[in-house]
Amino acid sequence: SQQGEEDPQALSIQEGENATMNCSYKTSINNLQWYRQNSGRGLVHLILIRSNEREKHSGRLRVTLDTSKKSSSLLITASRAADTASYFCATATSRGSYIPTFGRGTSLIVHP
Amino acid sequence: NAGVMQNPRHLVRRRGQEARLRCSPMKGHSHVYWYRQLPEEGLKFMVYLQKENIIDESGMPKERFSAEFPKEGPSILRIQQVVRGDSAAYFCASSPKGLANSYEQYFGPGTRLTVT
Repeated sequence: SQQGEEDPQALSIQEGENATMNCSYKTSINNLQWYRQNSGRGLVHLILIRSNEREKHSGRLRVTLDTSKKSSSLLITASRAADTASYFCATATSRGSYIPTFGRGTSLIVHP
Repeated sequence: NAGVMQNPRHLVRRRGQEARLRCSPMKGHSHVYWYRQLPEEGLKFMVYLQKENIIDESGMPKERFSAEFPKEGPSILRIQQVVRGDSAAYFCASSPKGLANSYEQYFGPGTRLTVT
């Protein structure tokens, strides 16, 4: 079964706006990761946040993790047309050899 | 340092034929993971291999699917007697060590299998 579920399923914004995607999961995790996938391409790792961390930044990306609510968010600030892609959260636990379990993704379209 | 390489990028097979998908991990990576992605879905884990060993195959269908990662050469995902439901994108990822210490996986571009 899906461990992480992203919300919304699709998001359409204008260039320059911020994009926020959320991920909820069911069981305790070791870490949570966010990936980007451009259409027809492989996945690109964006950020990994461990269960004892609350927030991480990487360039225009900000990820938060709330283990009490079993949720995470990915914020992309000042979005660009090149940010158009699908974004997946993936959770990892020790029971699964730390292999990430992916959600269905959020499809983000940034209009120039 | 070349990234994870997969070939072929596109593969068309008729029902009943065999499909062989190849994955060459990044240089220095001895851990390989195979995933399947159906349209509009996330990736589903299939199998995790370390050189010459299958570590976790909990996501692999029991029949028709097999995987290997020999001492020399690429990892191979083999699907025998393909059916239309096998049509999907198959992604390979590699890592230098196991993922317990938050090592990152690096993904290949995928092989898109179409079964006609």
